[in-house]
Amino acid sequence: QKEVEQNSGPLSVPEGAIASLNCTYSDRGSQSFFWYRQYSGKSPELIMFIYSNGDKEDGRFTAQLNKASQYVSLLIRDSQPSDSATYLCAAWGPGSARQLTFGSGTQLTVLP
Amino acid sequence: NAGVTQTPKFRILKIGQSMTLQCTQDMNHNYMYWYRQDPGMGLKLIYYSVGAGITDKGEVPNGYNVSRSTTEDFPLRLELAAPSQTSVYFCASSYSKDESPLHFGNGTRLTVT
Repeated sequence: QKEVEQNSGPLSVPEGAIASLNCTYSDRGSQSFFWYRQYSGKSPELIMFIYSNGDKEDGRFTAQLNKASQYVSLLIRDSQPSDSATYLCAAWGPGSARQLTFGSGTQLTVLP
Repeated sequence: NAGVTQTPKFRILKIGQSMTLQCTQDMNHNYMYWYRQDPGMGLKLIYYSVGAGITDKGEVPNGYNVSRSTTEDFPLRLELAAPSQTSVYFCASSYSKDESPLHFGNGTRLTVT
């Protein structure tokens, strides 16, 4: 089983809608989680991080973490065509693991 | 701060040639990583380092070598290039783990023909 799994998508939403991106992780000891956005042909850029159960909001982005269910999500409110990209979920392994494990990404298209 | 700098941006190699992809960071980060990303696919870890003089293999190390003689630099060496190594290579760094995110360079697009 992959350590970090994401909906493979692609996901299409109309402009102005809420885009919901989901991620599950297999290692219960993972403590910190990151969302990266990657435009086609570009490098990943960090958009959100979350360490505690609950919601964390930053502008139009909300990250949600449920450690009991081993589930992380990213909500994008008022989606814009410029949000069209691949979104990568990532988690640090627990304990001595020294690799940030990435999911395979969800491709989001926001339709004007 | 320049962040993570990768050179070159693009390179075309012939089969069997060798080259070094350069990566340097000016954030005094301890952890450095090399990933490759094939078209439409996710990131695959090649090698990583948690400090000068310490390197370790990732998921796909075959055909590559690394060294870490300074905190700032983490070059990736390709020996005997093969078409299967055609990919985009990203270098990344972080201060440590847990609450430290990875910062990525702009990537090197490599084609082996």
